This record gives sequence, structure tokens and C-alpha cells, in this order.
Amino acid sequence: DIVMTQSPDSLAVSLGERATINCKSSQSVLYSSNNKNYLGWYQQKPGQPPKLLIYWASIRESGVPDRFSGSGSGTDFTLTISSLQAEDVAVYYCQQYYDTPITFGQGTRLEIK
Amino acid sequence: QVHLVQSGVEVKKPGASVKVSCKTSGYTFFNYGITWVRQAPGQGLEWMGWISGYNGNTNYAQKLQGRVTMTTDTSSSTADMELRNLRSDDTAVYYCATYLPGVQGWFDTWGQGTLVTVSS
Repeated sequence: DIVMTQSPDSLAVSLGERATINCKSSQSVLYSSNNKNYLGWYQQKPGQPPKLLIYWASIRESGVPDRFSGSGSGTDFTLTISSLQAEDVAVYYCQQYYDTPITFGQGTRLEIK
Repeated sequence: QVHLVQSGVEVKKPGASVKVSCKTSGYTFFNYGITWVRQAPGQGLEWMGWISGYNGNTNYAQKLQGRVTMTTDTSSSTADMELRNLRSDDTAVYYCATYLPGVQGWFDTWGQGTLVTVSS
């Protein structure tokens, strides 16, 4: 199984500041034949299902604010929130879909400082 | 607009079975698949498996093999997930979500979740 490890486990950032969440996979999720990274990011607020933010490591889902961006390739990925808003308080998960079983990171809890 | 509406809260005893339903609308059912993801209280996300809406092909997480069955009913655009021989560590919120088989492995629309509690 591909193990996804996020860092940090929790993060407190001031409103308007940048938040950065890292995700590392135990093996590459870059598929060489199409040069795509099989990596997604989700946001989950309390009592709600996860919401897709990013797929193919850097493509924003429709309707997701452009303050959210994804980057990285191979085994190392980053989700960046450029200017933290109050509504961004949530737990964030990375997910690999390179191979089954699909696996998620353990989650990063983002709070306001 | 795509909507997934799941069945309600379940309370089961150890050893029993549970079936969770996921009623879909707003898209052509057989063009997509349905995946199931669960989340134990205060824990992260665990993929359980998925099923193609087109041909019913399934892929289950190995740890659940033999206990889980996922089915679809194209006439009602509904997907079901049955988990048998329940244990206390199966207590979780169970989510269904859509994906595009063979094209995408991300899950773009989710149901509201169904809480399943296993307790004697």
C-alpha cells in the first residue's frame, strides 16, 4: 500500500497569512506515461463530508477559491492557502489515486492563531 | 446538479450486518462509479472500495474482503454497501462519493454520511 504522510499534524496561522501543508507518499505517484501526479487534496469541516479542492496535484476543482493551490511531484506535495480566511478552518487530507487501495494522509488540522 | 443522499443512522450489535444506501441524482448513473469511504470517530478517512456504475465491477480494500459487498441498481440510480459480521471498530460515518472509472481517482461529490454504531 502507498502510505501518505502529512506534516504538520496541526497548524495555527493568523488571518491573512499563508498556510502550508505538506504530503509525502511512500512511493512516487507520478505516472510516467502521461506525466500526471495522481494526488488530490480535500477539505473537511466539522460535521461535513470531505470537499474536493485539488486533483492532479495542482488543478483546482471548479468553485474552489484561487487562494488554494497545490504543487509538487513524485513523492512530495504541498497545499498552500495564500491568505487564510476564517472559513478555511478545517482538516485537510491528501489522497493518492495512483493505485488501489486508495489511501489518504492522516489529516492536518488548520486553526486560526 | 449532482446529489448523493444516504440512508439514515444505524445502530447494530456485534456480528450483525448493515446496509447503507446512496441515492444519486443529477447525472447519468452508468457513466460514473461510486466509492465508499468511512471515518471512525475523530479519525481520518479510510477507503473501503468502489463499484462501476457501468458494469458493476468492484474493487474492495483487502482488509474488508469477505465482509463487504457493494452493489448498484441502475433502474433507481442507487448504490448500496453491505458490511457483515460487524465489530466495534466498524463504528464510523460511512460516505459514498462519485468517481469516473478509468479516468479519475478523485472523489468529487459526496453524500452527507451515515453514522453506523456497533455496540452490544
